[in-house]
Amino acid sequence: EPEVTQTPSHQVTQMGQEVILRCVPISNHLYFYWYRQILGQKVEFLVSFYNNEISEKSEIFDDQFSVERPDGSNFTLKIRSTKLEDSAMYFCASGSGRAVGELFFGEGSRLTVL
Amino acid sequence: GNSVTQMEGPVTLSEEAFLTINCTYTATGYPSLFWYVQYPGEGLQLLLKATKADDKGSNKGFEATYRKETTSFHLEKGSVQVSDSAVYFCALTAGGTSYGKLTFGQGTILTVHP
Repeated sequence: EPEVTQTPSHQVTQMGQEVILRCVPISNHLYFYWYRQILGQKVEFLVSFYNNEISEKSEIFDDQFSVERPDGSNFTLKIRSTKLEDSAMYFCASGSGRAVGELFFGEGSRLTVL
Repeated sequence: GNSVTQMEGPVTLSEEAFLTINCTYTATGYPSLFWYVQYPGEGLQLLLKATKADDKGSNKGFEATYRKETTSFHLEKGSVQVSDSAVYFCALTAGGTSYGKLTFGQGTILTVHP
């Protein structure tokens, strides 16, 4: 069964460092997302990406964040200068666009900023 | 804005017990409603959904009915199994351009003992 894969599963970094989280969405999907869950809090939407551009982003997704689909298979989230409050589980998701709200999520990448 | 509130967890049950996890929502317009489940070590996956008032979503013995008058979408299962142990997330989306922008509840951890 097709699945969304994410790497790394856990990354520890120092405050101020750049981090790139990688995702391989399901191959025939057209819509891509990043969500995050800070420990003890809700899963929250960060950004959606369609047709090679951001279609919507939340207030959290400021200039420190960027996304790209560099090679037609990977979908990446970059945090330019990490802060302590960026520590969270980051989930990548993809969808076909055929059914509202039906997304396929990866297992998540846990980011710890020290 | 949109929001989802789930009952406080964790929930611990014996096998074959009846399960209810309460979910209420606040949304503008006519949202679609979802239950996602996350099994240990896996990504979130769609369990069931309902897209309009009085619709009942069902899957794997789980059911939830979209109640517009009470703005609720409670998850129920008549007889839980140990394999149902997971985290359950209620979610909604406004659809349209926000096709995959899900608003999640806080998640409810369910543990089922033999």
